[in-house]
Amino acid sequence: GAGVSQSPSNKVTEKGKDVELRCDPISGHTALYWYRQSLGQGLEFLIYFQGNSAPDKSGLPSDRFSAERTGGSVSTLTIQRTQQEDSAVYLCASSLTPSGGGGELFFGEGSRLTVL
Amino acid sequence: GNSVTQMEGPVTLSEEAFLTINCTYTATGYPSLFWYVQYPGEGLQLLLKATKADDKGSNKGFEATYRKETTSFHLEKGSVQVSDSAVYFCALLSGSARQLTFGSGTQLTVLP
Repeated sequence: GAGVSQSPSNKVTEKGKDVELRCDPISGHTALYWYRQSLGQGLEFLIYFQGNSAPDKSGLPSDRFSAERTGGSVSTLTIQRTQQEDSAVYLCASSLTPSGGGGELFFGEGSRLTVL
Repeated sequence: GNSVTQMEGPVTLSEEAFLTINCTYTATGYPSLFWYVQYPGEGLQLLLKATKADDKGSNKGFEATYRKETTSFHLEKGSVQVSDSAVYFCALLSGSARQLTFGSGTQLTVLP
């Protein structure tokens, strides 16, 4: 497709289980971002990938969160031993150039995670 | 650090009403400012932006002016339509930061 694709769109899991969320960015976009949107909160930055550079992990809330980007394209966000406070919509975005292409990020529709 | 504060919603207006959604920011240096919009069932998309003081961003009848003296970037539209119903996010990109800082979003509902 032409846009950023995320899967699954909805995920319900039990506390303590691990989850993986997938993002397929727009072809040719070198930068990829993960954000988290909790109820009533803004978008919280999690992690940023740019080309082959080391990712900026400064927004990851705990060591239960990790992400990788294979071959400079698809990215997977993994949450281990999920907690109820991890419930949120996880948004992936890509941009053509570093620094958000001057601020223009292209977002997927998000993966809604519910931890019971 | 950088932060964005926008007016809390939800905001409900009748069609053709005037819209203002307030946004103020705190940032180091001279940030670029953005409004993103999220229509129901869709991903966020850039609505407009301004990169320096006194710039006005505009798109789809929406406008916002970068006011350095008041650190504000309020979104306005003279006559809203039902199709404008969405969540609106104010954001900034500052200095060496490579990621946008977003506000909490404002839900707008326009009634026919």
